Amino acid sequence: ETGVTQTPRHLVMGMTNKKSLKCEQHLGHNAMYWYKQSAKKPLELMFVYNFKEQTENNSVPSRFSPECPNSSHLFLHLHTLQPEDSALYLCASSQEGTNYEQYFGPGTRLTVT
Amino acid sequence: AQKVTQAQTEISVVEKEDVTLDCVYETRDTTYYLFWYKQPPSGELVFLIRRNSFDEQNEISGRYSWNFQKSTSSFNFTITASQVVDSAVYFCALSGSGTYKYIFGTGTRLKVLA
Repeated sequence: ETGVTQTPRHLVMGMTNKKSLKCEQHLGHNAMYWYKQSAKKPLELMFVYNFKEQTENNSVPSRFSPECPNSSHLFLHLHTLQPEDSALYLCASSQEGTNYEQYFGPGTRLTVT
Repeated sequence: AQKVTQAQTEISVVEKEDVTLDCVYETRDTTYYLFWYKQPPSGELVFLIRRNSFDEQNEISGRYSWNFQKSTSSFNFTITASQVVDSAVYFCALSGSGTYKYIFGTGTRLKVLA
């Protein structure tokens, strides 16, 4: 596969469930990002990892827990979510260093019931 | 504070018309980077262009062109002879020097009608 892939593409979960989103990039990049995209809101940067180290945590609630085991994989672990967390979650990657263009995955459409 | 404004929420044009998408930004940085992305219905954002603050030359790529004007803090995007496949949401984004924080505008939905 090429580019950035995300699984699952759609996820419905209850507020008491625990689930994980997975992102994989095949571009040889070393920086990876999680974004949240809600209706009528700008994309919100959630987390940034550069060379597996977290460099940004944009005041994200602790019910979202990221994990970056290596430069190609990024996870977002979800637990006790709220209905307002329903959104499209996008993963992206870029070359190491700042200010490079990002390459995005297709996203996971999350619905919290 | 950094901010990106895309005042046009939605634009509809008929195929073959030219259309310009506006982007106005705010930053106190002297070095910064501007981007445009396209988000088709499939969901993933597709990178279109990256421009740094020291390069004010306009750029053309096929039917796409970009007009960067520091004097008005604008980075506008023009599609010439639009096609139905251009229908998507287009995002403008800003990044300050030395940071991983990218500030996105709210996007402009472009509908190109056959």
